[in-house]
Amino acid sequence: SQQGEEDPQALSIQEGENATMNCSYKTSINNLQWYRQNSGRGLVHLILIRSNEREKHSGRLRVTLDTSKKSSSLLITASRAADTASYFCATDGTGANNLFFGTGTRLTVIP
Amino acid sequence: KAGVTQTPRYLIKTRGQQVTLSCSPISGHRSVSWYQQTPGQGLQFLFEYFSETQRNKGNFPGRFSGRQFSNSRSEMNVSTLELGDSALYLCASSLWGTNEKLFFGSGTQLSVL
Repeated sequence: SQQGEEDPQALSIQEGENATMNCSYKTSINNLQWYRQNSGRGLVHLILIRSNEREKHSGRLRVTLDTSKKSSSLLITASRAADTASYFCATDGTGANNLFFGTGTRLTVIP
Repeated sequence: KAGVTQTPRYLIKTRGQQVTLSCSPISGHRSVSWYQQTPGQGLQFLFEYFSETQRNKGNFPGRFSGRQFSNSRSEMNVSTLELGDSALYLCASSLWGTNEKLFFGSGTQLSVL
């Protein structure tokens, strides 16, 4: 399976702290995406990083990509209670119109 | 612009029945992809359609099928339902394919009894 794995499976932090989630994948990719899902709802796109990029920022989000290690990390700075959600990485697999999602990290931000 | 619309939101069926789920993409988006989400297997790719053609299919049995219409709306069908088909079914749309930002609907929660 090309499905990625995320670490940790669950993370609980205090509001204002930073949260870091990691994603590992198995095959070569064109790009890697991060999505957020609130309980039982659809996914919301957060950021896309291409295979030739090493770091990308969007507001309080910072994503890094290490293609040699087949891994990525998502950092959320100054977390808020509204950041409580599940976070998934997704990889495209070169040459195919499909998307493989990681197992997700459940983030809880305590007010 | 209206978002991705999935109907129905909830569905209860019994084993052996069939079900059809609908997805209306964002206006102008030609790619629609479908995913199954379960607690045990996570998010799994079902198939992707672009301009009425299925471009890729995930590792699901033939009971799972789909189609896309000329207005880019898509439907997926599951025949001979099994208990294990209980899941949240999500569709997503984009301009060209799954290697770009996807916009997801809220999903259809299917329960098979």
